Amino acid sequence: KQEVTQIPAALSVPEGENLVLNCSFTDSAIYNLQWFRQDPGKGLTSLLLIQSSQREQTSGRLNASLDKSSGRSTLYIAASQPGDSATYLCAVLKYSGGGADGLTFGKGTHLIIQP
Amino acid sequence: EAGVTQSPTHLIKTRGQQATLRCSPISGHTSVYWYQQALGLGLQFLLWYDEGEERNRGNFPPRFSGRQFPNYSSELNVNALELEDSALYLCASSLGAGSTEAFFGQGTRLTVV
Repeated sequence: KQEVTQIPAALSVPEGENLVLNCSFTDSAIYNLQWFRQDPGKGLTSLLLIQSSQREQTSGRLNASLDKSSGRSTLYIAASQPGDSATYLCAVLKYSGGGADGLTFGKGTHLIIQP
Repeated sequence: EAGVTQSPTHLIKTRGQQATLRCSPISGHTSVYWYQQALGLGLQFLLWYDEGEERNRGNFPPRFSGRQFPNYSSELNVNALELEDSALYLCASSLGAGSTEAFFGQGTRLTVV
């Protein structure tokens, strides 16, 4: 059974710092890995999608890497801003048997950027 | 372009009743996924519909069911509601099965009293 773990569970840093969020998964047979952002009580906003054949993706101040063999991904946020405060979720898409399992999510990292 | 839309935003039901949640995918997307986000449990995969058929379901009892209509919109039905069903229900859509990006709606907050 695929399990996704995110470390740390919570993080509070001053504005302007660069930071790294970590995600690990137990089964390396994945199709893709996606990073999401969730604001309190809201839906998920897709940040970055990394296909299993890719090593990294970049969007603005965000960079995500994937090491499928070791079952790890990192999300790097440069020059953090108070508006980055949210819960960041990592999810992997894996197939098993005759169909897709859907995305398996970690429990998230709750990020607070102090002004 | 409209994103994934869900209705209603909030729903309050009594234990034992039935709840119906609705989802409209992004135009052109044929796959719809349902997820439950209960407090303390994280996001869990419920159901996947593609081209009108149920393709897979997560580890949930049969009282969680749904369907996908010819226009690819979807409905999630929860029968015999229990207090533990209180959660944020999220719908996502993608272009189809496979390695494609999932886009999520804002969710329906179901409260069972």
